[in-house]
Amino acid sequence: DIRMTQSPSTLSASVGDTVTITCRASQSLYGWLAWYQQKPGKAPEPLIYKASTLESGVPSRFSGSGSGTEFTLTISSLQPDDFATYYCQQYKTSWTFGRGTKVEVK
Amino acid sequence: QVRLVESGGGVVQPGGSLRLSCAASGFTFSDFGMHWVRQAPDKGLEWVAVISSDGTNTYHTDSVRGRFTISRDTSKNTLYLQMTSLTTEDTAVYFCAKQFSAYADYFDSWGQGTLVSVSS
Repeated sequence: DIRMTQSPSTLSASVGDTVTITCRASQSLYGWLAWYQQKPGKAPEPLIYKASTLESGVPSRFSGSGSGTEFTLTISSLQPDDFATYYCQQYKTSWTFGRGTKVEVK
Repeated sequence: QVRLVESGGGVVQPGGSLRLSCAASGFTFSDFGMHWVRQAPDKGLEWVAVISSDGTNTYHTDSVRGRFTISRDTSKNTLYLQMTSLTTEDTAVYFCAKQFSAYADYFDSWGQGTLVSVSS
């Protein structure tokens, strides 16, 4: 099984900040990685797939990068609507989620 | 547009059974693999099961294998999750999710979830 290690678990930030979340896989994903945003009481929503492709309708302040086993999600100029929990997901072999990163108000 | 609506959740005693449904609309149901994902209270997301677009292939995560069964009815555009021998560890919100394509892929649409509570 592929294990996903996501960090940090919590991130305190202010509106306008640039934040970065990291996901490490236990083996190479060849780019088969997605990022999701989830707000309390809601379903997750896709942000990025294939490591760096922005889902339709997602603001350009969200970006993804990485390859192999290490990936990052960057949110530039954090907006009030961005305070949420973010998950990475590998889909190279079966499907596995990271444990999540809660972006909270500093 | 794509719409996924789960139903069938509720309170059940340990050892009991429950069948979840996910009604799909807005896309050609038979063209896409479908999944169940669950989220225990205040916990992260856990992938549960997948079924191929034609329904011939299924795969379940280790913790539910032998107890849960994913299935689909293309004539009704509905995805199912039959859950048996439930334990308190199965308490969670269960989401159905659509794959981006027929092949192993990320999830581009999710339902709103249905809560399953296993308690005596």
